[in-house]
Amino acid sequence: GQQLNQSPQSMFIQEGEDVSMNCTSSSIFNTWLWYKQDPGEGPVLLIALYKAGELTSNGRLTAQFGITRKDSFLNISASIPSDVGIYFCAGQRSGNTPLVFGKGTRLSVIA
Amino acid sequence: KAGVTQTPRYLIKTRGQQVTLSCSPISGHRSVSWYQQTPGQGLQFLFEYFSETQRNKGNFPGRFSGRQFSNSRSEMNVSTLELGDSALYLCASSLELRGFRPNEQFFGPGTRLTVL
Repeated sequence: GQQLNQSPQSMFIQEGEDVSMNCTSSSIFNTWLWYKQDPGEGPVLLIALYKAGELTSNGRLTAQFGITRKDSFLNISASIPSDVGIYFCAGQRSGNTPLVFGKGTRLSVIA
Repeated sequence: KAGVTQTPRYLIKTRGQQVTLSCSPISGHRSVSWYQQTPGQGLQFLFEYFSETQRNKGNFPGRFSGRQFSNSRSEMNVSTLELGDSALYLCASSLELRGFRPNEQFFGPGTRLTVL
């Protein structure tokens, strides 16, 4: 099935640095979601975006719904060790269609 | 409020056997979706149930099936297991109530299936 193009695949950063990751698609999506998954657990919803251009924050996390509706971005400011994990983007075309996921960005934070 | 629960958490089966996985959604949530997660393919959509009816189906063979009960609990079944079915199977629920954002899916911890 279709998947979103998520980049980078992995990142190694120093504690305190800011992080940016993005997700792109050749198709338009009406909803973008960002999840974080820790080892051995299911993904946890971080931020949901519903409108093109929307910018939403959740603590140190900020996500944006791209104007073209074909991309989304997630930024993490002042990273801390517990930010380690895999971050997934997910898009949905319309209300009753399934979510389509990116392959994830693996984030490692060096103290 | 309790989150999505999945049982069992771990399962080991042999090729040719069948398996049933269970998912209890968040109380009040009416939609349940199932995903297969593997290192190579990422999260792949299996199917979605709403009000005991399959609403969407992914691109998986007929060996994969599911159902939803009147209390919104869901099960998925895989028959004639193959080595390639080894994966983390995730269940997610969403509220689906008019006036609420319908697309926020909340995941359970998953069932880790190993096929030998």
